[in-house]
Amino acid sequence: GESVGLHLPTLSVQEGDNSIINCAYSNSASDYFIWYKQESGKGPQFIIDIRSNMDKRQGQRVTVLLNKTVKHLSLQIAATQPGDSAVYFCAENNNQGGKLIFGQGTELSVKP
Amino acid sequence: EAGVAQSPRYKIIEKRQSVAFWCNPISGHATLYWYQQILGQGPKLLIQFQNNGVVDDSQLPKDRFSAERLKGVDSTLKIQPAKLEDSAVYLCASSLAPMARANYGYTFGSGTRLTVV
Repeated sequence: GESVGLHLPTLSVQEGDNSIINCAYSNSASDYFIWYKQESGKGPQFIIDIRSNMDKRQGQRVTVLLNKTVKHLSLQIAATQPGDSAVYFCAENNNQGGKLIFGQGTELSVKP
Repeated sequence: EAGVAQSPRYKIIEKRQSVAFWCNPISGHATLYWYQQILGQGPKLLIQFQNNGVVDDSQLPKDRFSAERLKGVDSTLKIQPAKLEDSAVYLCASSLAPMARANYGYTFGSGTRLTVV
């Protein structure tokens, strides 16, 4: 029969508010993590990355937090804008070359 | 810098037909990846090439999927025969080296959306 996609978690925020998107990763051996933004009809676009020897990294309007104890990543977007509306994925690399393992994704909607 | 080019953008076929997708990576990128992204899910790696050799095809359904990168540049991914559950976006990515690191230029194309009816 026809396959059905999973229902993505959603987050709706008001323009100008801060957004926090969470992700649980699977492999305690993973040593590198990336957050991607994916807009409709486009491929994943790099936002920010973090290595496992760090617990926080900041970029322009974005911050990634890593909690290795509970295998949890979060992406914080400051002053969220309508252009931030997209699906956000975390991805992990467990030192197996170029293979990225993606999480389920969160759909962010920004209300003007 | 030109990005990863993929064609076609969309394809609709009937089940049991065959289909092929094409990818042209960023110039100079030795490593090329094909990912499958089913609606509502994250991308899943199908196959990874280093130049014209296969590094990882453990997730490729080899009874129906095949891929090649004969000259170490462009790549094609083929499905024969297609099933309904193959409906997905097929993403190509490339990087300078076989490392999932942003500083190796790991970049995705816009994908080919396949619908099998």
